[in-house]
Amino acid sequence: AQSVSQHNHHVILSEAASLELGCNYSYGGTVNLFWYVQYPGQHLQLLLKYFSGDPLVKGIKGFEAEFIKSKFSFNLRKPSVQWSDTAEYFCAVNAQGGTASKLTFGTGTRLQVTL
Amino acid sequence: DTGVSQDPRHKITKRGQNVTFRCDPISEHNRLYWYRQTLGQGPEFLTYFQNEAQLEKSRLLSDRFSAERPKGSFSTLEIQRTEQGDSAMYLCASSLWVAGNYGYTFGSGTRLTVV
Repeated sequence: AQSVSQHNHHVILSEAASLELGCNYSYGGTVNLFWYVQYPGQHLQLLLKYFSGDPLVKGIKGFEAEFIKSKFSFNLRKPSVQWSDTAEYFCAVNAQGGTASKLTFGTGTRLQVTL
Repeated sequence: DTGVSQDPRHKITKRGQNVTFRCDPISEHNRLYWYRQTLGQGPEFLTYFQNEAQLEKSRLLSDRFSAERPKGSFSTLEIQRTEQGDSAMYLCASSLWVAGNYGYTFGSGTRLTVV
């Protein structure tokens, strides 16, 4: 069965600091990878996704993630965070192949950006 | 609004009562998913439909839980004889699954509190 680990549960950064949130997954086959964001009081929104091709994926709002297959990792990065990036961030994985398309989520990382 | 709609937004019920939630997906999406999210955790997969067929159910979905998507459009999730452990946010998502490429759109969820 697939699983996802997010090692940072709560991250506090000052505005303009750089961000990197860790995500590791456990699955022996080919995967699709996602990062979702949940702003306070809002629904989950897709930040970016990796299906194939260039392992460096660019998403919305200046976020990017790099898929490193050898490390089973898909870390999220942003060079300079803003106060409006305060939210909870979830990494998710889906096993390619077959007909199932369910996502397995990590436990999330709460990001707090201070002014 | 052309997103995924869930009703109600909040539900408080007494232990032992039955509750039913509704999800209206994006109209052109052929897949509909139910997830459950508890505090401090990422969403956990419950079940999904392709059109009106329920294709997979999680072990989390006990016999007290049932989901339907009668005409391949909206879906309902019913919980019978609710227990305090059922208190959670119930999320619905939809996707257009085409040859393995898809993107989820999540609704805002129904928050269930069992007292």
